[in-house]
Amino acid sequence: AQKVTQAQTEISVVEKEDVTLDCVYETRDTTYYLFWYKQPPSGELVFLIRRNSFDEQNEISGRYSWNFQKSTSSFNFTITASQVVDSAVYFCALGGFKTIFGAGTRLFVKA
Amino acid sequence: SAVISQKPSRDICQRGTSLTIQCQVDSQVTMMFWYRQQPGQSLTLIATANQGSEATYESGFVIDKFPISRPNLTFSTLTVSNMSPEDSSIYLCSAKNPGQTYGYTFGSGTRLTVV
Repeated sequence: AQKVTQAQTEISVVEKEDVTLDCVYETRDTTYYLFWYKQPPSGELVFLIRRNSFDEQNEISGRYSWNFQKSTSSFNFTITASQVVDSAVYFCALGGFKTIFGAGTRLFVKA
Repeated sequence: SAVISQKPSRDICQRGTSLTIQCQVDSQVTMMFWYRQQPGQSLTLIATANQGSEATYESGFVIDKFPISRPNLTFSTLTVSNMSPEDSSIYLCSAKNPGQTYGYTFGSGTRLTVV
């Protein structure tokens, strides 16, 4: 069975702090994709990153970075120097034919 | 990537009525998906909609309650039938991006409140 676990339900940080959102997945597929999405209070889903199972290189995009470790089935997301606008719910997802979403982590960034 | 226009963005409906949500994609896509996000919860796949065939529903979702149409490769609708307050959720459509193995685009969502 496929499963995505985001153990952190809510995280609260002060602006400019770094924050890491954890994601652990389970799958028997050898080929799969992992995603991170942001859902601001307005409700739309914003795509952040897609990573395939053969590419374990970490990725950095501005203040965002992702650490993919196949050995521990984890795909963690770090926001550096967080800002109030980063406040949102973040979903990790596992994609094959269908996309399975984690429960989400609600991030509060206080000024 | 494909761009999806979803409407309505929000609605407040009376119980017992039905609401049809529309998603228009700016390019032809083979697969479209409908998700439900109940308050404070994650996204749950309702069904997969392919053009020219009946939608495939996930466990716990039935066609009578959530009929789906897919008349062409750029459009799909989801109807929430005989609504009750438990149907209050955000409904999102998604499309598989053309030419990408597992790239998906999501609509902006429909926030439904049933009173």
